[in-house]
Amino acid sequence: GAVVSQHPSRVICKSGTSVKIECRSLDFQATTMFWYRQFPKQSLMLMATSNEGSKATYEQGVEKDKFLINHASLTLSTLTVTSAHPEDSSFYICSPVKSGTTEAFFGQGTRLTVV
Amino acid sequence: DAKTTQPPSMDCAEGRAANLPCNHSTISGNEYVYWYRQIHSQGPQYIIHGLKNNETNEMASLIITEDRKSSTLILPHATLRDTAVYYCIVRGSGGSNYKLTFGKGTLLTVNP
Repeated sequence: GAVVSQHPSRVICKSGTSVKIECRSLDFQATTMFWYRQFPKQSLMLMATSNEGSKATYEQGVEKDKFLINHASLTLSTLTVTSAHPEDSSFYICSPVKSGTTEAFFGQGTRLTVV
Repeated sequence: DAKTTQPPSMDCAEGRAANLPCNHSTISGNEYVYWYRQIHSQGPQYIIHGLKNNETNEMASLIITEDRKSSTLILPHATLRDTAVYYCIVRGSGGSNYKLTFGKGTLLTVNP
């Protein structure tokens, strides 16, 4: 159990374009989803927390208009990096929390490179 | 969130036990100790968690001191595939305390 599928695993995009990252919980429902990013040689930093059907809550310093989160169902959440710039290049990781529990699982991560 | 302190790196010989320490002196009574690891360029992987009793599963053992101010993760027979960054995290049991706050962790290198 607890299979999380995050796609794509790697993406290269041009500056100014948008990139959508999908995170699916394949065998459980997730009311809450965390999105993290990780810069090279650094730890995971929480970007935002979303609850299904509600607006996401963003951590300080994370632009909500730049990082659009959609959590419209209990098994799918998306993170869209809008108007990407090279400084957005990072490793993005989703973490769905199994509904009714505090168990958090992690996707495989998405390596975003903006050129 | 209560903070944790871990050594930045450790080495272990293949086949030997790896003992990874973690200090969490400000932990509160309803906070759990969680351990995750992250192999390079992958998402974190859950290892084990506990409140105050020692815990064991197929991956590892978790020893929590009686005062709960520190803990040790034990990998009984380390293999090369256990080379990873290990994160010790203190986390509440519900509400907004769901979130996991990652520190810098310990880079465990298992040597042949």
